[in-house]
Amino acid sequence: DADVTQTPRNRITKTGKRIMLECSQTKGHDRMYWYRQDPGLGLQLIYYSFDVKDINKGEISDGYSVSRQAQAKFSLSLESAIPNQTALYFCATSDPSGGTETQYFGPGTRLLVL
Amino acid sequence: AQTVTQSQPEMSVQEAETVTLSCTYDTSESDYYLFWYKQPPSRQMILVIRQEAYKQQNATENRFSVNFQKAAKSFSLKISDSQLGDAAMYFCAYRSKGGAQKLVFGQGTRLTINP
Repeated sequence: DADVTQTPRNRITKTGKRIMLECSQTKGHDRMYWYRQDPGLGLQLIYYSFDVKDINKGEISDGYSVSRQAQAKFSLSLESAIPNQTALYFCATSDPSGGTETQYFGPGTRLLVL
Repeated sequence: AQTVTQSQPEMSVQEAETVTLSCTYDTSESDYYLFWYKQPPSRQMILVIRQEAYKQQNATENRFSVNFQKAAKSFSLKISDSQLGDAAMYFCAYRSKGGAQKLVFGQGTRLTINP
């Protein structure tokens, strides 16, 4: 079984709709991240959480919100989706006790906003 | 703010040969981490190799090795004995030791393996 899972894997929605992307992990890591990847570009950080009570904005948080329901779950919401939020979304986790604290990524969610 | 630049949008190599992907970065920090991630058509981001800035020795993972030049702020990836499964987008990434510890990614290099 995958250590970091994301649901759904693909989603099509319409402008103005609320949508939630979910991330779950079985790695036991405290730190979780949401990134966005636009075509032909690297990833940009949306939000990150160092534990259940610690949530922080990343560089492109406008239009997004998050919820850390438990150590293992970190959800990303688009309150009112717009077409320029069409992208590939990745969840990642890391362990601060692991030395280099490598981030491990989920399989990604491809979102299309019409 | 840190930046990462990959100047080669696309590279190709014959199967079994060696290829080097370039990456440069800009930072005022003295201690940090550098990574290479691979993204095949499946979209999964897969860690290839990592380097700690305070370590002089270049990291190696099987057929993958890096040439880390700290003074030049250069971090290239060498893939030896290229295999068809190595075809993917490769991203260089930087991470600070403090703060958000977010990954700062380059634009990526698309690697094609010719049989």
